[in-house]
Amino acid sequence: ETGVTQSPTHLIKTRGQQVTLRCSSQSGHNTVSWYQQALGQGPQFIFQYYREEENGRGNFPPRFSGLQFPNYSSELNVNALELDDSALYLCASSSRTESTYEQYFGPGTRLTVT
Amino acid sequence: QKEVEQDPGPLSVPEGAIVSLNCTYSNSAFQYFMWYRQYSRKGPELLMYTYSSGNKEDGRFTAQVDKSSKYISLFIRDSQPSDSATYLCAMKGFQGAQKLVFGQGTRLTINP
Repeated sequence: ETGVTQSPTHLIKTRGQQVTLRCSSQSGHNTVSWYQQALGQGPQFIFQYYREEENGRGNFPPRFSGLQFPNYSSELNVNALELDDSALYLCASSSRTESTYEQYFGPGTRLTVT
Repeated sequence: QKEVEQDPGPLSVPEGAIVSLNCTYSNSAFQYFMWYRQYSRKGPELLMYTYSSGNKEDGRFTAQVDKSSKYISLFIRDSQPSDSATYLCAMKGFQGAQKLVFGQGTRLTINP
C-alpha cells in the first residue's frame, strides 16, 4: 500500500509570487484535504476535494485554490504570496466509503516566503 | 475562544512515567476524536481514533472521551524516549466535509 506523498519537500518563494504544491493520495482513497500548519501550531483546514470538486472550505481567502484529478491526486495553488503564508502545508487522504473517515497525512511541503 | 484548546507544554518526563495529554473543546457537534503524533519535520501520524464517548486502548496508549465535559485525554503508559514528539488532538463532526479541527499540539520529551 502506497502512502500519501507530497512534492516538493521544501520551497522558497518571494512575496507576491505564486506557488503550486502537489499531493498523491494513498491507494484506495478518493478524498484529499489540505491543511496549513504554522510553526508551533496545529494544522488548520484549508479545503477538501472529493470527486474533483471542492467539498468544504476553511477560513482561507480565494487566493488559495485547488484541484483534484481523476486519479485522486491534488494540487494546492496559492497566488500573491504573503509572508504569513510561510508554513508546513499538509495533504491528507481518506476514503468516504469507510465509516471512520480516518485521514492519513503526507510528510508536508515546507514553504518559506521571503 | 478556539474550538479546541490544548496545553502546548512543553512537557518533559522520565522514561517509564505515565503521561497524560488533554484537550477541551466547545463544539458539541464533534463526534469523532483523534490523537495524532508528529515527529519533527514530519506529517502527523494517526495514533488513536474514538467515536463518541468512552475509552479505547491500544497497547501502551489509552484514549478517553467525556462528551458531557467536552474533554478528551490520551494516556501513555511506560513511556519510551521514542514517544518524544508533538501530540495533536483532532476532532470532527458527523455531517459535512471531513474537516478536522486540531488543538495546538503538546510537545512531549521522554528523558532516558
